[in-house]
Amino acid sequence: AAGVIQSPRHLIKEKRETATLKCYPIPRHDTVYWYQQGPGQDPQFLISFYEKMQSDKGSIPDRFSAQQFSDYHSELNMSSLELGDSALYFCASSFGQGGTNEKLFFGSGTQLSVL
Amino acid sequence: GQQLNQSPQSMFIQEGEDVSMNCTSSSIFNTWLWYKQDPGEGPVLLIALYKAGELTSNGRLTAQFGITRKDSFLNISASIPSDVGIYFCAGQLYTGNQFYFGTGTSLTVIP
Repeated sequence: AAGVIQSPRHLIKEKRETATLKCYPIPRHDTVYWYQQGPGQDPQFLISFYEKMQSDKGSIPDRFSAQQFSDYHSELNMSSLELGDSALYFCASSFGQGGTNEKLFFGSGTQLSVL
Repeated sequence: GQQLNQSPQSMFIQEGEDVSMNCTSSSIFNTWLWYKQDPGEGPVLLIALYKAGELTSNGRLTAQFGITRKDSFLNISASIPSDVGIYFCAGQLYTGNQFYFGTGTSLTVIP
């Protein structure tokens, strides 16, 4: 069965550079969540989209932005990168955020290292 | 943000033993999900719970949605070495809201 696809798998950037992470949800899933996970930490919610509209916002820095496109894939854009942005970034998808019995399925993540 | 307290923080058990962990909050949750995460990988969904009191099994795993809707429990029976990993609970306050993650339980199974 198709899973959530994230790219790239690993990314190395310098301070103050920009980065774009991509997420391709499971086919027919209409909702995408972005999470950030530091070493030894639990995943922290950044932002979510339902039917291409932002549905909830968490601890996403102003330097970051995200969007969901017409084909439901999503991109997380990160600018003015800081050392503290180094983390695993996960995308999760689900079907029908507006309904009930929601299940989140996670991708393998993008490991971002800021040097 | 919401605080989901997960305990224990870590467990070291012998192969074949049963394991119990729980997640508690001061808020009432609508949905509870349980995940297992291996190092450097994404969380893998184990069990989903949607009703207070619901008891759901997935092989050797059993999870329950607490009656108060403020907690959830995960049990693993007859543990095996491949059960090693970090287990997270995730709760959703209401439909359309984000999922909050617990602090995680690190499980080590000694052969």
